[in-house]
Amino acid sequence: NAGVMQNPRHLVRRRGQEARLRCSPMKGHSHVYWYRQLPEEGLKFMVYLQKENIIDESGMPKERFSAEFPKEGPSILRIQQVVRGDSAAYFCASSPDYRVRGTEAFFGQGTRLTVV
Amino acid sequence: DQQVKQNSPSLSVQEGRISILNCDYTNSMFDYFLWYKKYPAEGPTFLISISSIKDKNEDGRFTVFLNKSAKHLSLHIVPSQPGDSAVYFCAASDPGGYNKLIFGAGTRLAVHP
Repeated sequence: NAGVMQNPRHLVRRRGQEARLRCSPMKGHSHVYWYRQLPEEGLKFMVYLQKENIIDESGMPKERFSAEFPKEGPSILRIQQVVRGDSAAYFCASSPDYRVRGTEAFFGQGTRLTVV
Repeated sequence: DQQVKQNSPSLSVQEGRISILNCDYTNSMFDYFLWYKKYPAEGPTFLISISSIKDKNEDGRFTVFLNKSAKHLSLHIVPSQPGDSAVYFCAASDPGGYNKLIFGAGTRLAVHP
């Protein structure tokens, strides 16, 4: 049973380019969460998605960031016109059922984005 | 507004001794807490959790204590092993109704022989 898969593991982008981060949840999981970790900080919630729906995007910056979780395929976190401050580790987590609050969410290994 | 705080950025412990990692929270509506362990270049992995209806939960070498009146929880690792060296994150489950987690900044534990 494969875990949460994120790719790429490392991504380097020049300022102004677009970054696309992918997340395939664990088999049987239909709930995906994206978190961002800045250097020396904890993980900060960005967005929660179910298949084809954004449920909570309260942690997403208002501009340049978007997320989707289509019916088929992985969840995508998209950052347009990246700036140096976007450099961080981006983690995806999945869970099987939102009603089971507090159970562990399973995290992927993360994508480390570096903007040069 | 930091709702979950880990005030010790690092902790060094000798192998075989007890490690105590602390966490404070401000939101009295939090009713479920989790500890995650993270190695460099990997994602966080779940370690142990506790519901607010309990004051203690134990799993092998790991025990989490919750003091609701003080809004404080702690993770005890006994005995500590070199493989326990990692960053430990305390997290609270958002009371909004799904598995959104609010993390502390983490404590880096170093267990030395």
